[in-house]
Amino acid sequence: SQTIHQWPATLVQPVGSPLSLECTVEGTSNPNLYWYRQAAGRGLQLLFYSVGIGQISSEVPQNLSASRPQDRQFILSSKKLLLSDSGFYLCAWSVLYGYTFGSGTRLTVV
Amino acid sequence: AQSVTQPDIHITVSEGASLELRCNYSYGATPYLFWYVQSPGQGLQLLLKYFSGDTLVQGIKGFEAEFKRSQSSFNLRKPSVHWSDAAEYFCAVARSGTYKYIFGTGTRLKVLA
Repeated sequence: SQTIHQWPATLVQPVGSPLSLECTVEGTSNPNLYWYRQAAGRGLQLLFYSVGIGQISSEVPQNLSASRPQDRQFILSSKKLLLSDSGFYLCAWSVLYGYTFGSGTRLTVV
Repeated sequence: AQSVTQPDIHITVSEGASLELRCNYSYGATPYLFWYVQSPGQGLQLLLKYFSGDTLVQGIKGFEAEFKRSQSSFNLRKPSVHWSDAAEYFCAVARSGTYKYIFGTGTRLKVLA
């Protein structure tokens, strides 16, 4: 069966520090991968989208970047975090329609 | 532009009562529509989806949703709510020609014992 792993679950980082969130998928090949951010009262915002290794589409200009070094690995990064980067980050995968989401990372930038 | 509106930010119902969560979409063609549920601090779980065919869709956990093209709506319903249904519910539409979704801002459901 397909599973998705996302870590860490919670993270507290100082302003200006780097960030690396990792997401891996098991049990499927060539999935579409997504990073979403969820801010209180604002629903889910698509940050990045990938249809294959090395292929990244950015949805919103921001302080973050994404990479897909392997077929089932998706990484969200930042060189210097801002206070506004705080939020709940969700990774998801799909082969066709119908996402499967990871359990999320709660990032607090202090 | 495509959009999804969930007009109710919060809804409170008593356990055993019926539930309807509203979702309206803006889309030029036949949309692909979804409902997800999120428990606190967790990821989202797919409840049901509509692509085509029968406009009444059955999902997991006793939920159903009805697609009404004339009203551009895809409302989620459950005949009898359980305390474990307390969560946040998101409606979503897939963007045309892509697998990317547009999510509504969510409806937080509170269930009274």
